[in-house]
Amino acid sequence: DSGVTQTPKHLITATGQRVTLRCSPRSGDLSVYWYQQSLDQGLQFLIQYYNGEERAKGNILERFSAQQFPDLHSELNLSSLELGDSALYFCASSVGASGKDEQFFGPGTRLTVL
Amino acid sequence: SQQGEEDPQALSIQEGENATMNCSYKTSINNLQWYRQNSGRGLVHLILIRSNEREKHSGRLRVTLDTSKKSSSLLITASRAADTASYFCATGDTGFQKLVFGTGTRLLVSP
Repeated sequence: DSGVTQTPKHLITATGQRVTLRCSPRSGDLSVYWYQQSLDQGLQFLIQYYNGEERAKGNILERFSAQQFPDLHSELNLSSLELGDSALYFCASSVGASGKDEQFFGPGTRLTVL
Repeated sequence: SQQGEEDPQALSIQEGENATMNCSYKTSINNLQWYRQNSGRGLVHLILIRSNEREKHSGRLRVTLDTSKKSSSLLITASRAADTASYFCATGDTGFQKLVFGTGTRLLVSP
């Protein structure tokens, strides 16, 4: 158990809908990262927050947004969902601001868009 | 595009044998990390090697780094069925504040 929690575990929804994925980092970690893992794209970095502020951005679509709250948990919002958004979404956390430190991954949320 | 590329894509061995996976990358790095992922689960950090290090050990794991060839290898000795998983290398690029993950090697260890 990494100490990173993610909810829900599974999410099945329809195209055009909007969903929110939630992540709680390890105790003491200030950085939260979001990744998308699909069969054809592999593991793609989406975005990083550090202590409430956006720190780094990756291949995140405009339909996706994220935020980190004062208690350091984070939410990833996915809107206008398309079939191609079906994937595993992972949250990870680390102690510091550098995105190159060791990261601790949550169990993931499996999103299926029908 | 992915920074690291692992080789082989898939590896099948018997318990007790050693497994070697290789990772090649393209740019200058601060560090290189190896992660393991059991099917459909989250990634687990195995080991981090810094750009000024050449070799590192952790239990049955041995990692080497050759910055001149921009490559790394992960050796798992005396493999066990529980080692069955996908293994990813991730590079901490000097130019970016993020890890870039490779495509992974699927390891199957048969009893």
